Amino acid sequence: AQSVAQPEDQVNVAEGNPLTVKCTYSVSGNPYLFWYVQYPNRGLQFLLKYITGDNLVKGSYGFEAEFNKSQTSFHLKKPSALVSDSALYFCAVRASGSARQLTFGSGTQLTVLP
Amino acid sequence: SAVISQKPSRDICQRGTSLTIQCQVDSQVTMMFWYRQQPGQSLTLIATANQGSEATYESGFVIDKFPISRPNLTFSTLTVSNMSPEDSSIYLCSVGGRTNEKLFFGSGTQLSVL
Repeated sequence: AQSVAQPEDQVNVAEGNPLTVKCTYSVSGNPYLFWYVQYPNRGLQFLLKYITGDNLVKGSYGFEAEFNKSQTSFHLKKPSALVSDSALYFCAVRASGSARQLTFGSGTQLTVLP
Repeated sequence: SAVISQKPSRDICQRGTSLTIQCQVDSQVTMMFWYRQQPGQSLTLIATANQGSEATYESGFVIDKFPISRPNLTFSTLTVSNMSPEDSSIYLCSVGGRTNEKLFFGSGTQLSVL
């Protein structure tokens, strides 16, 4: 079975400060890891993914995430937060080579305060 | 990337009625997926719709309640049958990219059942 944990329901950060949204996962074999963002009344938008290669993955809108195999983590980061980054963020995982579809975390509501 | 048009974007329905949600993709895709996002919850996969065969339902979802059609490689419908207030959710259509590594999502259908 595969699972994703996002331990924080809510993250608040001041504009201009760095932000981190946490994600840990459990999967058999090598993981494919993803971050999606959901703005109000919108579908999910893809931010970035880790498939293989460098542990630090860069994505859209200045976001990046670091894959840490020993800690089974894939935290989302951004050096300087913008008010427009306020949204709901989902981490997702599936096993490489698996036909199973993505398993999503419970989501973290990010609020960037002006 | 894939552009997905989903409609209706929202609807308010009476208990006991049915609603059909349409999903149109701008390119041919093998697999289409239907997700449910209940209020304050993460995404749960309802079923995988393959063209030319019956949909594959996840545990807890049945064809009588959520019949799916997939008449061609660019279109699918999900029907929510005999609705109750517990069916109030956002329903999302998604498709895999060329390598099926990541998913693209429609903007969702916000369903409220009175």
